[in-house]
Amino acid sequence: ETGVTQTPRHLVMGMTNKKSLKCEQHLGHNAMYWYKQSAKKPLELMFVYSLEERVENNSVPSRFSPECPNSSHLFLHLHTLQPEDSALYLCASSQDGTAFQQTDTQYFGPGTRLTVL
Amino acid sequence: QKEVEQNSGPLSVPEGAIASLNCTYSDRGSQSFFWYRQYSGKSPELIMFIYSNGDKEDGRFTAQLNKASQYVSLLIRDSQPSDSATYLCAVNNYGQNFVFGPGTRLSVLP
Repeated sequence: ETGVTQTPRHLVMGMTNKKSLKCEQHLGHNAMYWYKQSAKKPLELMFVYSLEERVENNSVPSRFSPECPNSSHLFLHLHTLQPEDSALYLCASSQDGTAFQQTDTQYFGPGTRLTVL
Repeated sequence: QKEVEQNSGPLSVPEGAIASLNCTYSDRGSQSFFWYRQYSGKSPELIMFIYSNGDKEDGRFTAQLNKASQYVSLLIRDSQPSDSATYLCAVNNYGQNFVFGPGTRLSVLP
């Protein structure tokens, strides 16, 4: 777990709050990802950054706003969330990010458990 | 839409038995395949990956890939109660990143 860290580990927020999730990777990777994991649903890819540029955005609502200031840090800014946004938010990193390497493997952080009241 | 399917389980096996977890995928262009283990409340951790047809062994784990049948499996030999977790299959589609299956919950009974 020390390769990819996430803070906070738990977050409770109201629908009118603004908060940010932070992810940091210490693996020297070039790509970082945000996933959402809701109960009994597959992992949902939200955002992909490769070399600090966003390369994929899977039609995520605008109340989620990512930021990647450098290849080691990734943020997810949250505002006016809905109760259905309550989930485990996972950050991951991989060496390549373009998925053109057969062995490009994603390593996950411990996640942030988000509850929206 | 590219899909990855897994039996949600739970799959129950007795301690010491072989657990067999299966995964099918819809995109014939998929190139590499990953198995992750996820304990309840924890994040996924990589077990192994495979990209050539056939078997790949790592300790008690064996991944099997059959691209013609679009099928990948994970065998766990000598299953232990500590293997009880959800196992996620992920598929790497070149240029389209990872697609995860819904996971299979495995329960190893002492």
